[in-house]
Amino acid sequence: GENVGLHLPTLSVQEGDNSIINCAYSNSASDYFIWYKQESGKGPQFIIDIRSNMDKRQGQRVTVLLNKTVKHLSLQIAATQPGDSAVYFCAENIVTGGFKTIFGAGTRLFVKA
Amino acid sequence: DAGITQSPRHKVTETGTPVTLRCHQTENHRYMYWYRQDPGHGLRLIHYSYGVKDTDKGEVSDGYSVSRSKTEDFLLTLESATSSQTSVYFCAISEYGRGSGNTIYFGEGSWLTVV
Repeated sequence: GENVGLHLPTLSVQEGDNSIINCAYSNSASDYFIWYKQESGKGPQFIIDIRSNMDKRQGQRVTVLLNKTVKHLSLQIAATQPGDSAVYFCAENIVTGGFKTIFGAGTRLFVKA
Repeated sequence: DAGITQSPRHKVTETGTPVTLRCHQTENHRYMYWYRQDPGHGLRLIHYSYGVKDTDKGEVSDGYSVSRSKTEDFLLTLESATSSQTSVYFCAISEYGRGSGNTIYFGEGSWLTVV
């Protein structure tokens, strides 16, 4: 959702393992979804996107899965590396009610060497 | 990286002083946005622009004004800064305003501290 507590959910993984980061989106009318990566002290960086007419999309080492039935989005990172340590958050574009992009609060990923 | 430059990147100012943050893009995108990011709130839209001299309010626009005199520049002004405006400000751009394909690209941020 748009407003969450002060502490971000945290995921800690071992280097080389796969990571799965989840996001529950809010609006069934959303038709486009984006995953961002934000490193400390930097701006959010686009990772991968998916349209609502798709269930899965793959990029380089990343896969996004979309389950519209339960309004759930996930980001899978294969062979997680120390450079993947960051906050990851999803965004949804809502089609109705005017312009609106909603950003999730994010999940902090720690990669242990 | 999207061609977005924000200035200044860091600023400390006193309560009651005016502050202007500048955003410059080289992508010729129609839409430009100003967001603030605070712990516990994520990214919140302050104002956005859908063309030269065309702007509209976002969800947290009180105390802020914007101007866009050229496609590439979008200014955010705090007329009289308050401590509650201490935050990280992100400029963003997109080619479309809504719907599929409306990928928003962010600048590197401007850290503002109001003392």
